[in-house]
Amino acid sequence: AQSVTQLDSQVPVFEEAPVELRCNYSSSVSVYLFWYVQYPNQGLQLLLKYLSGSTLVKGINGFEAEFNKSQTSFHLRKPSVHISDTAEYFCAVSRYGGSQGNLIFGKGTKLSVKP
Amino acid sequence: NAGVTQTPKFRVLKTGQSMTLLCAQDMNHEYMYWYRQDPGMGLRLIHYSVGEGTTAKGEVPDGYNVSRLKKQNFLLGLESAAPSQTSVYFCASRRDSGTGSGAFFGQGTRLTVV
Repeated sequence: AQSVTQLDSQVPVFEEAPVELRCNYSSSVSVYLFWYVQYPNQGLQLLLKYLSGSTLVKGINGFEAEFNKSQTSFHLRKPSVHISDTAEYFCAVSRYGGSQGNLIFGKGTKLSVKP
Repeated sequence: NAGVTQTPKFRVLKTGQSMTLLCAQDMNHEYMYWYRQDPGMGLRLIHYSVGEGTTAKGEVPDGYNVSRLKKQNFLLGLESAAPSQTSVYFCASRRDSGTGSGAFFGQGTRLTVV
């Protein structure tokens, strides 16, 4: 079975500061890794994903994430955040080639960007 | 392109009432899912479908039933609503699982059971 741990439930940060949202996963098989963003009162939208290859993945809105297999981590980073980045961020995994195809989500990290 | 559409967006039910949530996708995706989102719990899978006419239980299936009679639609039913089912419900669809395609989500249904 797979599981996802998001290490921080809330991250407050000032505008234009860098931010890192931490995600660790557990799995006995290969997985795909995803980050989703949820703005208030909206559904989730895909920010970026890691399938294979380069361990540094770039996504939308200036976000990037680095896959670290030895540490089973997939941390999300942005060098300079904006007020509009205030949202909840979810890390998720999906079993490679699994027949179910469902995503296992972490409990989310609320990013609050202050002026 | 509409993507994934959920109806209704809001609903208030009395304990014991029944209702059906509808999810429709126009991307010809094989996989469809129903999740519930509760504060501090993330998203938990209720039921899912890997193709037309198939359904399976997820992590928290009790009190819910689903049907997928047409490929584009995935219905979630509550036969006898309970206050514990107060939640935000999200439908998602995915092209497949083997290639790592991402899932597309609807806007959610906020359900309150009183």
